[in-house]
Amino acid sequence: DSGVTQTPKHLITATGQRVTLRCSPRSGDLSVYWYQQSLDQGLQFLIQYYNGEERAKGNILERFSAQQFPDLHSELNLSSLELGDSALYFCASSVGFMEGQNTEAFFGQGTRLTVV
Amino acid sequence: DAKTTQPPSMDCAEGRAANLPCNHSTISGNEYVYWYRQIHSQGPQYIIHGLKNNETNEMASLIITEDRKSSTLILPHATLRDTAVYYCIVRPIYGQNFVFGPGTRLSVLP
Repeated sequence: DSGVTQTPKHLITATGQRVTLRCSPRSGDLSVYWYQQSLDQGLQFLIQYYNGEERAKGNILERFSAQQFPDLHSELNLSSLELGDSALYFCASSVGFMEGQNTEAFFGQGTRLTVV
Repeated sequence: DAKTTQPPSMDCAEGRAANLPCNHSTISGNEYVYWYRQIHSQGPQYIIHGLKNNETNEMASLIITEDRKSSTLILPHATLRDTAVYYCIVRPIYGQNFVFGPGTRLSVLP
């Protein structure tokens, strides 16, 4: 158990709908990352937050948005869903940015999104 | 960020050491080498990381060459449960996201 909790584990929804994926980081971790992994594809970085602020953006579609709340949990919102958005969505957390520190990130078990 | 090159697949006999190579010839002085693995569709699992010294933990050993242009992850006694995709990642000291390549698919054979 990595200590990172993602809910729900599975989600089935129709095209055009909107869903919210939730991530609770490990206790004490300030940084949260979101990744997408489509079937037989690699892990694609979407976005990172550190202590409530956006820190880095990857290949995140405009239909997708995220935020990190004061209690440090994060949500990834996916709207106007398309069949191609079906994928595993992983959240990871790490201690974050500190002077001279380079720390590992721990991943949750993911949310499997199926768009039908 | 420096790019990494890994063989797409490797086999290893159960009980033997698995040595997974990674080339990162463009690595710079402030970049760390990280290893993760992903078993089937589970979340990636952190294994080990290092800057220039060799590192060992309960899971594996990381050997980094003196010029830091390549590294090897060693699983000392591979088991069937070590079958996974192994990712070598180079990340700056003040790095943000982890950039995953295609990795090496390790198959541990009975």
